[in-house]
Amino acid sequence: TQLLEQSPQFLSIQEGENLTVYCNSSSVFSSLQWYRQEPGEGPVLLVTVVTGGEVKKLKRLTFQFGDARKDSSLHITAAQPGDTGLYLCAGATSGTYKYIFGTGTRLKVLA
Amino acid sequence: DTGVSQDPRHKITKRGQNVTFRCDPISEHNRLYWYRQTLGQGPEFLTYFQNEAQLEKSRLLSDRFSAERPKGSFSTLEIQRTEQGDSAMYLCASSRIDEQFFGPGTRLTVL
Repeated sequence: TQLLEQSPQFLSIQEGENLTVYCNSSSVFSSLQWYRQEPGEGPVLLVTVVTGGEVKKLKRLTFQFGDARKDSSLHITAAQPGDTGLYLCAGATSGTYKYIFGTGTRLKVLA
Repeated sequence: DTGVSQDPRHKITKRGQNVTFRCDPISEHNRLYWYRQTLGQGPEFLTYFQNEAQLEKSRLLSDRFSAERPKGSFSTLEIQRTEQGDSAMYLCASSRIDEQFFGPGTRLTVL
């Protein structure tokens, strides 16, 4: 069974702080995605990474795919209250379009 | 609005009743996914379609769950003889290549 473990599970920080969320697995993924979800809504795609070692930036968010394509990280610089939400990673293995979601990291940024 | 839509948004039913949910994907997307999400967890894969073909179904699903996508456009998810453990958010997503776009979900409460 493929598992995607995310850490930390919960994170509460002050506005302006930096943070990193991790997504780890023993499986190799052909692509990995990060989503943010707000209560009562579906997840919204932030980024897709497909190449080992790839780094993508989206404003204050930096995403990295591990060299072996088994792990990923999301770094947020100068967090803002609008960053509050559930952050999810999801991976698909080669030859399938079935996505396995991580356990999620619930982030709360305090003003 | 050309996003993924789901109907109904909320459903309350009594144990033992059957329920059916509908998902309308983005029109040019050939893949359609169903997920189930319980509070505080990441979405759990249920099944996915490529056009009208159901390519994979989770082993976690009992025979009470069935999904169809008769013309490769909209899809329905039916749960027969609902149980309290079926209470969850049911999410639909569609994609053309790698990136999934989610609908707002149907929240099911089984009394």
